[in-house]
Amino acid sequence: AQSVTQPDIHITVSEGASLELRCNYSYGATPYLFWYVQSPGQGLQLLLKYFSGDTLVQGIKGFEAEFKRSQSSFNLRKPSVHWSDAAEYFCAVGASDYKLSFGAGTTVTVRA
Amino acid sequence: KAGVTQTPRYLIKTRGQQVTLSCSPISGHRSVSWYQQTPGQGLQFLFEYFSETQRNKGNFPGRFSGRQFSNSRSEMNVSTLELGDSALYLCASSLSGQGSTDTQYFGPGTRLTVL
Repeated sequence: AQSVTQPDIHITVSEGASLELRCNYSYGATPYLFWYVQSPGQGLQLLLKYFSGDTLVQGIKGFEAEFKRSQSSFNLRKPSVHWSDAAEYFCAVGASDYKLSFGAGTTVTVRA
Repeated sequence: KAGVTQTPRYLIKTRGQQVTLSCSPISGHRSVSWYQQTPGQGLQFLFEYFSETQRNKGNFPGRFSGRQFSNSRSEMNVSTLELGDSALYLCASSLSGQGSTDTQYFGPGTRLTVL
């Protein structure tokens, strides 16, 4: 069965600083990987996804993620954080069993 | 194109009651999935439907059930509510339902509170 680990429960970053959120997955076959963001009281918004091909994936809101098969990782990055990026971020892996398996999430706080 | 819609957005019930939540997928999407989100357990998969057929079910008791209609709209039902059922219930739809390799788009959720 597939699983996802997000090692960081909470990250605080200054506005304008760079951000990196870690994600490690476990899956026997080629993974289909996603990053979603959730603002308080809201649903999940898709930031980006990786299916195959170029291992550096560009998403919305200036986010990018890099797939590293050797490290079973799919880390999310943003060069310069804005106050509106404060939210909870979820990494997920999809498989052929019609479900997404999510990590526990990382809460990002942005300080002025 | 309108996104995934869920009704109601908020719901308060008492223990022992039952509840029905509704989800309308993005137009043209045929797969609908349901997830439960709680602070303690995070996001957990409930079930997935495609063309009115349940293709997978998560590890939840039989009190949790769902169905999908011919227009792809879906409902989930929870009977004999327990305090632990308090959660945000999220619905997601995808275009072709080719496993969860297909991108899932989420609705805003229904916040259920059980008193």
